[in-house]
Amino acid sequence: DAGVIQSPRHEVTEMGQEVTLRCKPISGHNSLFWYRQTMMRGLELLIYFNNNVPIDDSGMPEDRFSAKMPNASFSTLKIQPSEPRDSAVYFCASSLDAGELFFGEGSRLTVL
Amino acid sequence: GEDVEQSLFLSVREGDSSVINCTYTDSSSTYLYWYKQEPGAGLQLLTYIFSNMDMKQDQRLTVLLNKKDKHLSLRIADTQTGDSAIYFCAESGAGNNRKLIWGLGTSLAVNP
Repeated sequence: DAGVIQSPRHEVTEMGQEVTLRCKPISGHNSLFWYRQTMMRGLELLIYFNNNVPIDDSGMPEDRFSAKMPNASFSTLKIQPSEPRDSAVYFCASSLDAGELFFGEGSRLTVL
Repeated sequence: GEDVEQSLFLSVREGDSSVINCTYTDSSSTYLYWYKQEPGAGLQLLTYIFSNMDMKQDQRLTVLLNKKDKHLSLRIADTQTGDSAIYFCAESGAGNNRKLIWGLGTSLAVNP
């Protein structure tokens, strides 16, 4: 099994630009999570989907952040416009129901 | 609110035992987890314990749970340099096993 696949692995962009992070969950998993990891705040849950439906987006920082899951095998996290304080590692994870979380390798975002 | 606390750093010598501690606040947690994050990678489930257990052993790993004190520990016997990583404690939030509450992680350094 390929595991959770995220792209890009690294992104460097300028303040104000749009950033799109992508995730392919493990086939058969029905829950998908987007996390943000920073040194100061640790691991923060931004949003999670169950059966492609957003269930809890209370962790999304503000309206600049949006996430979609158009089908069971693809999700995006978009930041528009990006700001330097958005610099972090963004992880996607998937699970079957409330089971073990499988994480991707992360997308490291740097906003200059 | 719900909170999970861990010490941030631990340094041990190769061959010694490592003990990583965690305290949590939500007494209704069903599961408590230990995840491991190696440099540049996502988190991987190391082990977990159901809340009605007080100990679980898995090869070099021993998890101890003290529900009264809301204290969880992870002991790694015969620590190896390959065990150097960040270890995250997490609990399943009240009534929602999908929304884990995470500690900030303990960075374990194993010295030869």
